[in-house]
Amino acid sequence: KAGVTQTPRYLIKTRGQQVTLSCSPISGHRSVSWYQQTPGQGLQFLFEYFSETQRNKGNFPGRFSGRQFSNSRSEMNVSTLELGDSALYLCASRSAGENSPLHFGNGTRLTVT
Amino acid sequence: AQKITQTQPGMFVQEKEAVTLDCTYDTSDQSYGLFWYKQPSSGEMIFLIYQGSYDEQNATEGRYSLNFQKARKSANLVISASQLGDSAMYFCAMREGQGNNRLAFGKGNQVVVIP
Repeated sequence: KAGVTQTPRYLIKTRGQQVTLSCSPISGHRSVSWYQQTPGQGLQFLFEYFSETQRNKGNFPGRFSGRQFSNSRSEMNVSTLELGDSALYLCASRSAGENSPLHFGNGTRLTVT
Repeated sequence: AQKITQTQPGMFVQEKEAVTLDCTYDTSDQSYGLFWYKQPSSGEMIFLIYQGSYDEQNATEGRYSLNFQKARKSANLVISASQLGDSAMYFCAMREGQGNNRLAFGKGNQVVVIP
């Protein structure tokens, strides 16, 4: 079974621009979540989607948004980029079992200049 | 307040030796789950082991075992017979409640295995 796939792997953007990151979950997984990883703040939860509905949201500004499609693929969007948005963005998917772990992708490394 | 605390500095471990990584957590929930992930320099987070708050036995997965002490709120990871490929950052994480994807992660422990 293919793992979680994130595209692109690397991205360089300029302040003020917007960016869209993509995530394809493991086949059969309907739950997708996003995390931001920075050296200063560590790993922080962004949001979670299940069956195209946002189920949970972390403490991030409204510039960060996401969506999930009917095939469970997910995208996250960051508008009006700031230098502090430079980070590794990790997507994870999970099967339906109560104790099932998150399976992460390789991440998208975003650099904002 | 931090929910997951990992305070050990970077560790050097001799190949084939065991290493213990400390993790303490803070929650008022009765139902929670504890996870350990490994992150090599490539960036991918690799799931290692899970312990549920109601599990009476310590979890084991191959060379990984979890020393779960509920009263002390600690969930230490033990890696036996270290291999060079074990060099990575190790993160402890907690999920409060059930069936959600919201994990609180610790800051991680850096482990370097030396031959």
